[in-house]
Amino acid sequence: QSVLTQPPSVSAAPGQKVTISCSGSSSNIGDNYVSWYQHLPGTAPKLLIYEDDLRPSGIPDRFSGSKSGTSAALAITGLQTGDEADYYCGTWDSSLSVVVFGGGTKLTVL
Amino acid sequence: QVQLVQSGAEVRKPESSVKVSCKVSGGTFRSYAITWVRQAPGQGLEWMGGIIPVTTTVRYAQKFRERVTITADGSTNTAYMELRRLRSDDTAIYYCARGMQFWSGDYWGQGSLVTVSS
Repeated sequence: QSVLTQPPSVSAAPGQKVTISCSGSSSNIGDNYVSWYQHLPGTAPKLLIYEDDLRPSGIPDRFSGSKSGTSAALAITGLQTGDEADYYCGTWDSSLSVVVFGGGTKLTVL
Repeated sequence: QVQLVQSGAEVRKPESSVKVSCKVSGGTFRSYAITWVRQAPGQGLEWMGGIIPVTTTVRYAQKFRERVTITADGSTNTAYMELRRLRSDDTAIYYCARGMQFWSGDYWGQGSLVTVSS
């Protein structure tokens, strides 16, 4: 059972937009920055978003992050088949003093 | 160009230990957070712990606190993760990452497969 809650799967057609939610609490998302990762099993995770809504260099602006209260979201526009992957949110939990991840969301581009 | 290069695959027996290394090149080592994350077969990402070499701050996930030790050698820009009393469910790919915080790794190692089997 993950501390952060994500939907197990989302799907959309190429070119469409999808949003992945990440729900937490006042001690984690509500108190700290959120990061988002794209992960293809067997490869290293890739940082997509840090500090809630910032993109590392090289990450296209099709990927955007947002946060409100104890929930965060990752939006992906102009979906491509290459976006099919698992997506994880992560942050620090101030009460537990540990990093917490969501359980991951599998994106399928139909 | 920052690169994190991890040690190779390991096979261990239950109750033994494994030590995985992560060498950072091409960038600053000491002032960043080095974090360790694993992924077991069919499971999601799991944070194990991390270290900030410049302050020697170390944090561990509660689940691993009694079995894991994370260290860093500033003279070789290498971080280490040792996991003891291995069990079959420790079979996983172990990743190191460097970032501004323990949860924002922007550079990652290639992963090290650890297989625990009798």
